[in-house]
Amino acid sequence: AQSVTQLGSHVSVSEGALVLLRCNYSSSVPPYLFWYVQYPNQGLQLLLKYTSAATLVKGINGFEAEFKKSETSFHLTKPSAHMSDAAEYFCAVSEGLGNQFYFGTGTSLTVIP
Amino acid sequence: DTEVTQTPKHLVMGMTNKKSLKCEQHMGHRAMYWYKQKAKKPPELMFVYSYEKLSINESVPSRFSPECPNSSLLNLHLHALQPEDSALYLCASSQEVPASGQHFGDGTRLSIL
Repeated sequence: AQSVTQLGSHVSVSEGALVLLRCNYSSSVPPYLFWYVQYPNQGLQLLLKYTSAATLVKGINGFEAEFKKSETSFHLTKPSAHMSDAAEYFCAVSEGLGNQFYFGTGTSLTVIP
Repeated sequence: DTEVTQTPKHLVMGMTNKKSLKCEQHMGHRAMYWYKQKAKKPPELMFVYSYEKLSINESVPSRFSPECPNSSLLNLHLHALQPEDSALYLCASSQEVPASGQHFGDGTRLSIL
């Protein structure tokens, strides 16, 4: 069975500070891992994905994530937060079977000017 | 601009009405999804179509009826909904191999009076 845990339902950072959003997963097989961002009144937008190639994955808007198998983690980072990064972020996992994707509970990011 | 188009963007309906939500994608994706999302919560999977056949139904009440007329279109027919069905309804599509991740539309904001 798969599950995704996002530690911290709310994260606040100052503009220009490091963004770190945490995601841990459980999976019985090597998973596919994803981070999505959702702005108000919009759908989810794919930020980046891990598909068993490089463990450090770069995405859009300056975000990146590192797959650590030993820690079953896929944390999302950005060196310098912008006001426009304020949004809801979801981590998701798929084992590649049956078109199933499992979402974490989400982390709301606030950027303080 | 999103590559998955959902109409209408907003819908208000009474509990006795019948309405339909529509979703369209032209990326050649063969898997299409309906999700329900409440505020500040992750998307909840409702239905998955794979190659135009219903492959997953997550025990959704029969007042929701999905339809996939062709590989580009996905409908969700609504009838006799309840106030608790008020939510954002998201459509998504993906390649048959989930490693590519999902592409989401901007959703239909549904309010039940």
